[in-house]
Amino acid sequence: QKEVEQNSGPLSVPEGAIASLNCTYSDRGSQSFFWYRQYSGKSPELIMFIYSNGDKEDGRFTAQLNKASQYVSLLIRDSQPSDSATYLCAVNAGGGSNYKLTFGKGTLLTVNP
Amino acid sequence: SAVISQKPSRDICQRGTSLTIQCQVDSQVTMMFWYRQQPGQSLTLIATANQGSEATYESGFVIDKFPISRPNLTFSTLTVSNMSPEDSSIYLCSVQGEAGLYGYTFGSGTRLTVV
Repeated sequence: QKEVEQNSGPLSVPEGAIASLNCTYSDRGSQSFFWYRQYSGKSPELIMFIYSNGDKEDGRFTAQLNKASQYVSLLIRDSQPSDSATYLCAVNAGGGSNYKLTFGKGTLLTVNP
Repeated sequence: SAVISQKPSRDICQRGTSLTIQCQVDSQVTMMFWYRQQPGQSLTLIATANQGSEATYESGFVIDKFPISRPNLTFSTLTVSNMSPEDSSIYLCSVQGEAGLYGYTFGSGTRLTVV
């Protein structure tokens, strides 16, 4: 059973701080990793994806991938109240079903003004 | 990225009835995906819909309960049949997006409540 694990939170940070969201996955064959943001009552929105080990930066967001440790993280710098949402980690299935995504349960982030 | 229109956005249905959810994409896509998100849970893939062939269902989901149509490359429907309160969920369609082959874009979702 392929699994993606996230701390459910809630994770609470003050405005302007760095929020760190973590995710581990069980399938060593996974190739692609995604972070989605989901506001309450809304559908998930893709904010970052990463395929290679190391860091990938996009504005205030940095995704970090360590395939050896089967670990992916998302850093949000200068956190804003508008970043308050549930963040979902998703991993592709790998192998013959590599179009499928497995989602974690998400981490609820609250940014306090 | 693709724009997905999904309807209805929400519905309240009586148990034992069926609801058909529609998903329209503004561009042609090979695969469309149907997900379910139960309250407080993450997304679970129900099935993959390819144009011109039967949908491929994930473990725990069957065609009799969740029949899917895919008449062309821009449209799909998911029917939730013989509903029970346990079917109360958000149902989402999605397509592959611009983030490589596997970055999915989601429709706005259908919030279903079965009473």
